[in-house]
Amino acid sequence: EAGVTQSPTHLIKTRGQQATLRCSPISGHTSVYWYQQALGLGLQFLLWYDEGEERNRGNFPPRFSGRQFPNYSSELNVNALELEDSALYLCASSGQTGMGQPQHFGDGTRLSIL
Amino acid sequence: QKEVEQDPGPLSVPEGAIVSLNCTYSNSAFQYFMWYRQYSRKGPELLMYTYSSGNKEDGRFTAQVDKSSKYISLFIRDSQPSDSATYLCAIRKNSGGSNYKLTFGKGTLLTVNP
Repeated sequence: EAGVTQSPTHLIKTRGQQATLRCSPISGHTSVYWYQQALGLGLQFLLWYDEGEERNRGNFPPRFSGRQFPNYSSELNVNALELEDSALYLCASSGQTGMGQPQHFGDGTRLSIL
Repeated sequence: QKEVEQDPGPLSVPEGAIVSLNCTYSNSAFQYFMWYRQYSRKGPELLMYTYSSGNKEDGRFTAQVDKSSKYISLFIRDSQPSDSATYLCAIRKNSGGSNYKLTFGKGTLLTVNP
């Protein structure tokens, strides 16, 4: 069974540009979560999508947004990139949230802002 | 007070040693407890997932939860060089709304020396 896949592996942008990161969940999983892992800050919750809807977002500005497609894959968009956005962006997926299913992670997209 | 505290280490042990990793949390609303292992340049890999107080064993790994003390532990028996990684504790509240996000400790870097 394929795990969570993310693309691209590495993305290099400059300040002010926009970045799009993509995630495919484990087959059968309907929930997708995005986390940011910045140096020294640990893993911080960004966004949660379930059944195509944004269910919750963390303490991040509105320039972080995303969506979930009918096939449950998801993309994260970051607008007006700033230097502090440099981080590893991790996607996780889980089965039915009401059943207490654990989250499984992909290997992330490393976003570097020059 | 942070929601979850984890000693960042680093922790260095000889091969075969018993390793003890710990986290404390501040809110009794947290009901689900996880340990993830993260190798360099990889995403977190789920090791243990528990709900209730007590011990859960899986091979060389034992997860321990003490809800009365708000303390969780991961023990690794007969540690191997391949166990060298960053270990992350993660906690989650019960069902509903924003409760599905994971709150992570900062991670403990473990090195097992041959």
